[in-house]
Amino acid sequence: AQSVSQHNHHVILSEAASLELGCNYSYGGTVNLFWYVQYPGQHLQLLLKYFSGDPLVKGIKGFEAEFIKSKFSFNLRKPSVQWSDTAEYFCAVNTAYNTDKLIFGTGTRLQVFP
Amino acid sequence: DGGITQSPKYLFRKEGQNVTLSCEQNLNHDAMYWYRQDPGQGLRLIYYSQIVNDFQKGDIAEGYSVSREKKESFPLTVTSAQKNPTAFYLCASSIRGQNQPQHFGDGTRLSIL
Repeated sequence: AQSVSQHNHHVILSEAASLELGCNYSYGGTVNLFWYVQYPGQHLQLLLKYFSGDPLVKGIKGFEAEFIKSKFSFNLRKPSVQWSDTAEYFCAVNTAYNTDKLIFGTGTRLQVFP
Repeated sequence: DGGITQSPKYLFRKEGQNVTLSCEQNLNHDAMYWYRQDPGQGLRLIYYSQIVNDFQKGDIAEGYSVSREKKESFPLTVTSAQKNPTAFYLCASSIRGQNQPQHFGDGTRLSIL
């Protein structure tokens, strides 16, 4: 069965530090990749997505992610985090085989201190 | 404003009672989903529906039931057969298609007393 792993469960950073959150998936075929963010007290919202083309995708609020097919990875990055980036981040995958099922990772809680 | 409305935000029920969580969307989306979110476990798919009057089991459907009589509505019933129902439940919807992101509601936190 397909699965998504987010190895960083809890990340604590100071403002202006750089961020990289790991995401690995297990599926050998064509995949679509997503990062969602859940700010405190708010609903999940899409941060960015990758379907095809340039493996480096840019999302909202200065986030970007790189799809590395050979590593089955889709890591999320931001050069300089802000206190307002404090949230929980979820990586998600669906496959060309079953596009209706979005498989989520367990999430990474990011805390940014001023 | 278009969006997904889940109600109520908090729900308390006694053990052994069935409870129904509401999810309504005005985005004109065909597909709707129910997830359960538990700490450290991410989101797990309970049921999903691609079209009215049709729905499919997700990964953890046991103890839950759904209906999809209208495009806008996808209620979830947590039955007494669900062994550990206390959780945060999220409803989502999307346009059908592999590259369509899902839009989420604010969630319902269910606590069984």
